[in-house]
Amino acid sequence: ETGVTQSPTHLIKTRGQQVTLRCSSQSGHNTVSWYQQALGQGPQFIFQYYREEENGRGNFPPRFSGLQFPNYSSELNVNALELDDSALYLCASSSYLRYGYTFGSGTRLTVV
Amino acid sequence: DAKTTQPNSMESNEEEPVHLPCNHSTISGTDYIHWYRQLPSQGPEYVIHGLTSNVNNRMASLAIAEDRKSSTLILHRATLRDAAVYYCIPDQAGTALIFGKGTTLSVSS
Repeated sequence: ETGVTQSPTHLIKTRGQQVTLRCSSQSGHNTVSWYQQALGQGPQFIFQYYREEENGRGNFPPRFSGLQFPNYSSELNVNALELDDSALYLCASSSYLRYGYTFGSGTRLTVV
Repeated sequence: DAKTTQPNSMESNEEEPVHLPCNHSTISGTDYIHWYRQLPSQGPEYVIHGLTSNVNNRMASLAIAEDRKSSTLILHRATLRDAAVYYCIPDQAGTALIFGKGTTLSVSS
C-alpha cells in the first residue's frame, strides 16, 4: 500500500488568487474526501467524490470545487482566496467508509 | 446529524490504561461509531469502529453501551506515542466523516 499522497506540502498564496491542491488516493480506493483544518480545530468536511461524482458536500461556498479522475486521484480548487482560507487541507481516501479512511499528511496553505 | 460530546482534554501516565468517553445520544440505529486520532503535524489516523458489540484490534478496544448512546475507547497501556487528539465520529448512514473537536490526550512518563 502506498498510502495517500498530497502535494504540495506547503503553499503561500496572495488574497484573490486561485490554488489547486492535489491528492493521490491509496491503491484500490474509489472514494476521496477533502477537509479543511484551521489551527486548533477539528477537520471540517468540504466535499466527497465517489467514482468521479461529487456525492456529498459540507458548508463551503462554490469557490471551493473539486475533481476526481479515472485513476481516483483528486484535486481541490479554491478561487478568490481569502485570508480565512489559510489552513491545513487534508485528503482522505477509502474503498468504503466503514472500512476506514486513510488520510494524507495535508497541504498547509497560507494566504497573505 | 448525530451530535457527539467528548471531554476537551484528558491526562494519563505511561503504561496505564486510558478510557476516552464519548456521548452520542442522537445516533441512529444504523450509524457505526468510528474513532480516529490525530498526532501533532499529521493527518488523522483510523483507530477502530463498531456498531453494537465491543470491538478489539491491535491499537485499542471499543466498548459500546447497550443503548448505543455512548462509547468508550480504551487504550490498554498508554505510551508517549499515544498523545494525540482523539475523535469519536458516528458515520451518519455511511456518508462522510464529520469531525468534532475531539479529546486531547496527554501522556506523561
